[in-house]
Amino acid sequence: AQRVTQPEKLLSVFKGAPVELKCNYSYSGSPELFWYVQYSRQRLQLLLRHISRESIKGFTADLNKGETSFHLKKPFAQEEDSAMYYCALSFYGGSQGNLIFGKGTKLSVKP
Amino acid sequence: KAGVTQTPRYLIKTRGQQVTLSCSPISGHRSVSWYQQTPGQGLQFLFEYFSETQRNKGNFPGRFSGRQFSNSRSEMNVSTLELGDSALYLCASSQGSNYYEQYFGPGTRLTVT
Repeated sequence: AQRVTQPEKLLSVFKGAPVELKCNYSYSGSPELFWYVQYSRQRLQLLLRHISRESIKGFTADLNKGETSFHLKKPFAQEEDSAMYYCALSFYGGSQGNLIFGKGTKLSVKP
Repeated sequence: KAGVTQTPRYLIKTRGQQVTLSCSPISGHRSVSWYQQTPGQGLQFLFEYFSETQRNKGNFPGRFSGRQFSNSRSEMNVSTLELGDSALYLCASSQGSNYYEQYFGPGTRLTVT
């Protein structure tokens, strides 16, 4: 079965420190991977997706098919990065209206 | 463009009752997906509608159903409510084409007593 695992429930770092939010997935086909973010009192929103290979708000994520991982990284964390982060998987080639989410990692960036 | 809207925002129901939640997608979006969010299980996919047809369905019992209208608005219904149905129900809309982005609504908080 398809699954997304985010091993850390909470990640706490100091401002300016590097951040890595881990995400591992299990899927035998070619998945599309996403990172969604939810800031306090805001809606869940897309942060980035592997297919676009872009950097958003300084965050990047590389799909590693060998390790089935899609870790989210930022070299220098900012206080405004504090939020709940969800890794999500969508099946490639089929209906893409269904996302399988990890349970999320709460990132806390201390001043 | 106006974002995804969900009504009502909060709802309290009693076990055994049924409930209908509504979702209005972003104008032009043809796909609406529904998710259940609970502290224990996290975000779980319920179903997706595209052009009035259910295109995909998650692993939920038949008490959970939905539909989509010709204007892409969607409703989900839960019959014979159980305490475990207490959750935040999120809907998300997208254009429905490949490599889309899903836009989420604020959610409906359902409490079953």
